[in-house]
Amino acid sequence: DQQVKQNSPSLSVQEGRISILNCDYTNSMFDYFLWYKKYPAEGPTFLISISSIKDKNEDGRFTVFLNKSAKHLSLHIVPSQPGDSAVYFCAASAGGGGSYIPTFGRGTSLIVHP
Amino acid sequence: DTAVSQTPKYLVTQMGNDKSIKCEQNLGHDTMYWYKQDSKKFLKIMFSYNNKELIINETVPNRFSPKSPDKAHLNLHINSLELGDSAVYFCASSQVQGSGELFFGEGSRLTVL
Repeated sequence: DQQVKQNSPSLSVQEGRISILNCDYTNSMFDYFLWYKKYPAEGPTFLISISSIKDKNEDGRFTVFLNKSAKHLSLHIVPSQPGDSAVYFCAASAGGGGSYIPTFGRGTSLIVHP
Repeated sequence: DTAVSQTPKYLVTQMGNDKSIKCEQNLGHDTMYWYKQDSKKFLKIMFSYNNKELIINETVPNRFSPKSPDKAHLNLHINSLELGDSAVYFCASSQVQGSGELFFGEGSRLTVL
């Protein structure tokens, strides 16, 4: 039962272009969404998050968009750089009681070509 | 001064053995977790500990047992290892009432032969 889905296992983009990574979720109780970035042989590191009361959050080159009615979020990276090449995990959590234990998708491998 | 550290990073062992993976965090966080990344690449929650209390256990076999000697440590013990236990195990920590942001260790790759 995949509550968080990342249907594209990989994405290849030219340096300087926009990278768009997509994520869908099924649990309507999710109210907080996060993106993590993972390099090989390292643990995931937090990148950006968004609360369900917002539809957009921006941090430098990274912007996350949330469409609650479609249960869809996306991560935009502009402009993409070779150092952005990594696996990106989408995660979602349901608040209440401060539990905030994220459920993760299976990740999308982004390759940015110079 | 790694924030979340796990040992060992690699572990190769035979079926039926018992093994442990250690985790320590120096962030002063109240909650620690163990996630398993299987061959399908999903990161699945196994355990979460808050102030030495187990607050979630996602139908993990009882061969797996978390042990938390103090707030900064959450070790994972696995008894009678099976082939299907081969995976990368990630330890993480977070503030209880925080943003849900987890800080992960580098992972421990377990291979059961």
